[in-house]
Amino acid sequence: GQNIDQPTEMTATEGAIVQINCTYQTSGFNGLFWYQQHAGEAPTFLSYNVLDGLEEKGRFSSFLSRSKGYSYLLLKELQMKDSASYLCAVRARSSGGYNKLIFGAGTRLAVHP
Amino acid sequence: DAGVIQSPRHEVTEMGQEVTLRCKPISGHNSLFWYRQTMMRGLELLIYFNNNVPIDDSGMPEDRFSAKMPNASFSTLKIQPSEPRDSAVYFCASSLDTSGGQGVKTQYFGPGTRLLVL
Repeated sequence: GQNIDQPTEMTATEGAIVQINCTYQTSGFNGLFWYQQHAGEAPTFLSYNVLDGLEEKGRFSSFLSRSKGYSYLLLKELQMKDSASYLCAVRARSSGGYNKLIFGAGTRLAVHP
Repeated sequence: DAGVIQSPRHEVTEMGQEVTLRCKPISGHNSLFWYRQTMMRGLELLIYFNNNVPIDDSGMPEDRFSAKMPNASFSTLKIQPSEPRDSAVYFCASSLDTSGGQGVKTQYFGPGTRLLVL
């Protein structure tokens, strides 16, 4: 089966650093995505990891450990506009040989002054 | 560049009515996805097209749901008859897949259609 776990809610202070964890159990794992979704809006792509290690992109970094089935999204220098839901999505290969994304329930991050 | 376009943005209908949601993917993209998002179930893949061909429709809830992609620039998701439990936000997303369905790349989401079935 496919299972993706991430915390439901987190709070943090403006200017701080926050780490959002994602653990997964999937067959045919083939990469992991992080998406940001502001309330009432569509998800937007943040990062993609397929190899173990850290990918850095400005204030956002994403880490993957395939052996542990674990990823995290690190947000630095938090801004109020970072208040949003963060969706972890696993790309998995099906028995039919094609890939698809399976999304976690999302972590709702609230940044306060 | 225009992103993924969806219409209508909001739809309120009565139980039993037919609902048709429309999507225009990003030009040049060859994969199209329909998702449904609710508070209870999160973001769920309903159906996935590659080069206008349905690749995976295992997420389609039941026979009341159908999707078509008559050409590379247009897709529809139809619910007939609609029920209150179909109330959700329906997203269309597209991507460029150069591996014949093997390499789902970054997906770009449309603004969504907020459906309320009374």
